[in-house]
Amino acid sequence: NAGVTQTPKFRVLKTGQSMTLLCAQDMNHEYMYWYRQDPGMGLRLIHYSVGEGTTAKGEVPDGYNVSRLKKQNFLLGLESAAPSQTSVYFCASSYSSQLGTDTQYFGPGTRLTVL
Amino acid sequence: DAKTTQPPSMDCAEGRAANLPCNHSTISGNEYVYWYRQIHSQGPQYIIHGLKNNETNEMASLIITEDRKSSTLILPHATLRDTAVYYCIVRALYNTNAGKSTFGDGTTLTVKP
Repeated sequence: NAGVTQTPKFRVLKTGQSMTLLCAQDMNHEYMYWYRQDPGMGLRLIHYSVGEGTTAKGEVPDGYNVSRLKKQNFLLGLESAAPSQTSVYFCASSYSSQLGTDTQYFGPGTRLTVL
Repeated sequence: DAKTTQPPSMDCAEGRAANLPCNHSTISGNEYVYWYRQIHSQGPQYIIHGLKNNETNEMASLIITEDRKSSTLILPHATLRDTAVYYCIVRALYNTNAGKSTFGDGTTLTVKP
């Protein structure tokens, strides 16, 4: 049981380049999330998904797109990278128990630098 | 959706109890209080959550005031490995506020020898 994994761990892009970050979870969770964390700050939600084939915008969605074609995978895409997107990106997944509660499990993060 | 307020930093002596406060004065009746921590640059780790009763697990205790407007996370015997950023967030039943899942800046706890 690997939990939540993220690929790649590190990446350097030039302005205008595109890339896709992959998040995978093996816990059969319905919900998945993408966050970004800038230096010295908390996590901000980019996009999330409440199930296979569904996605929704979080608080800072501009410049990013996502897809959830399979329940276990959640992809985050940057179509035209900008220096302002230099950050650490965390993926998380969660389930809602019978009590209606929700606990998020996080991946190790992807450190992205845009030059 | 309820927002939370935490002190930016706290110190604690090794072996002593660390008490981390969180204010959530606008919390709704269907919202849980969750605590996570982030050690160095790792992904956040779940600690504990509660609705209105005090909760305890192998990591910590959570004390929620009767009016639910504030809570305290207690690490009973802090160790150097507990040095981390601690986040207090609120989450609605059945994740109905999933799109509002922001962790804020948290409290940086430094455990000193």
